Amino acid sequence: AQSVAQPEDQVNVAEGNPLTVKCTYSVSGNPYLFWYVQYPNRGLQFLLKYITGDNLVKGSYGFEAEFNKSQTSFHLKKPSALVSDSALYFCAVSLGGSYIPTFGRGTSLIVHP
Amino acid sequence: EAGVAQSPRYKIIEKRQSVAFWCNPISGHATLYWYQQILGQGPKLLIQFQNNGVVDDSQLPKDRFSAERLKGVDSTLKIQPAKLEDSAVYLCASSRGQGAAFFGQGTRLTVV
Repeated sequence: AQSVAQPEDQVNVAEGNPLTVKCTYSVSGNPYLFWYVQYPNRGLQFLLKYITGDNLVKGSYGFEAEFNKSQTSFHLKKPSALVSDSALYFCAVSLGGSYIPTFGRGTSLIVHP
Repeated sequence: EAGVAQSPRYKIIEKRQSVAFWCNPISGHATLYWYQQILGQGPKLLIQFQNNGVVDDSQLPKDRFSAERLKGVDSTLKIQPAKLEDSAVYLCASSRGQGAAFFGQGTRLTVV
């Protein structure tokens, strides 16, 4: 079975400061990892993915994530937060070859002006 | 390219009534997913299709939920009869195989 944990329900950060949204996963095999963002009354938007290769993945809107196999983590980061980054962020994992993504509960990111 | 299209955007029904949702995936995407997202939770996979075949429906409440994907393109998800706990956003997504899934805006269902 595969699972994803997002240990923080909410992350607060000041505009201009770096942000980190945490994600850890459990999967019996090689993971495919994804981050999505959800704005109010909108569907989920794809941000970035890790399939293989470089552990640091760059995605949309200046976001990046680092795959850490030993810590089974895939934390989302951005060097300088914007107020417009305030949204709900979801981490997802699928087992390579299974095609079935499992989502975490989500982390609400609030960026204060 | 056009995104995933879903309709309707909103639906309010009484318990025990039936409802159907429609999804048109991104052209060329063989994999189609239906997710249920209850307020405050992450999306939960209900069913996954590869072309017109079911890959996984282990979390679909089959006594009341059904889904089909005729001709491997459009899909419909039906609930009959609806319960209060079915109130949620129903998200459709599509992907090319193991690539990222792209989501529609969802259908917000309220069962009263």
